[in-house]
Amino acid sequence: QLQLQESGPGLERPSETLSLTCTVSGDSISSGGFYWGWIRQPPGKGLEWIGSVDYRGDTYYNPSLKSRVAIFVDTSRNQFSLKLSSVTAADTAVYYCARPGTVSTPTFDYWGQGTLVTVSS
Amino acid sequence: EIVLTQSPGTLSLSPGERATLSCRASQSVTSNFLAWYQQKPGQAPRLLIYGASSRATGIPDRFSGSGSGTDFALTISRLEPEDFAVYYCQQFERSPTLYTFGLGTKLEIK
Repeated sequence: QLQLQESGPGLERPSETLSLTCTVSGDSISSGGFYWGWIRQPPGKGLEWIGSVDYRGDTYYNPSLKSRVAIFVDTSRNQFSLKLSSVTAADTAVYYCARPGTVSTPTFDYWGQGTLVTVSS
Repeated sequence: EIVLTQSPGTLSLSPGERATLSCRASQSVTSNFLAWYQQKPGQAPRLLIYGASSRATGIPDRFSGSGSGTDFALTISRLEPEDFAVYYCQQFERSPTLYTFGLGTKLEIK
């Protein structure tokens, strides 16, 4: 059974770089050709796709965040990671990692439980 | 970039009633790349509908999706207590690759 688990600091200082990791179990990132994604949700607000990465390291980013985002994959650890630079209070959110159900369906079928990151001095 | 507008913002209904939630796109959604999610407090979203009208695995048949082009709807035929939640629509564009979500409809108990 596929499971995703986010991990990382829960507090970041303004102007620092947010770093999160998603550990995948129950499936190999190297198989299936999926694009593994990061989505975030500010408290009390809606969902925003941040970007996605496949096992080769090919990435797609939300244009609104592209200048500050990097997503990369570590197949040896079955993990993929998010870095978001120059954070502000507006980046405070629950961050989810997720995966589509099939290679060809552009939806997110499997989600981690989410991790809250607060940006504050 | 396609913008998704969901209405109403809040829908107050009673168990057993029928719910219809709307999602309107600012441009036509390609190949019906339109999905619906349910989110309960403190939980991750749960995929309900993909391809505008196909139910995801394990989703009860009281949930149905319809629409094409720019106008889509999620219908819950007979509300159960566990259906009261926030619902989001989501679309996908290929060039450039972009997933966008609507702002959500909160379905609350009347």
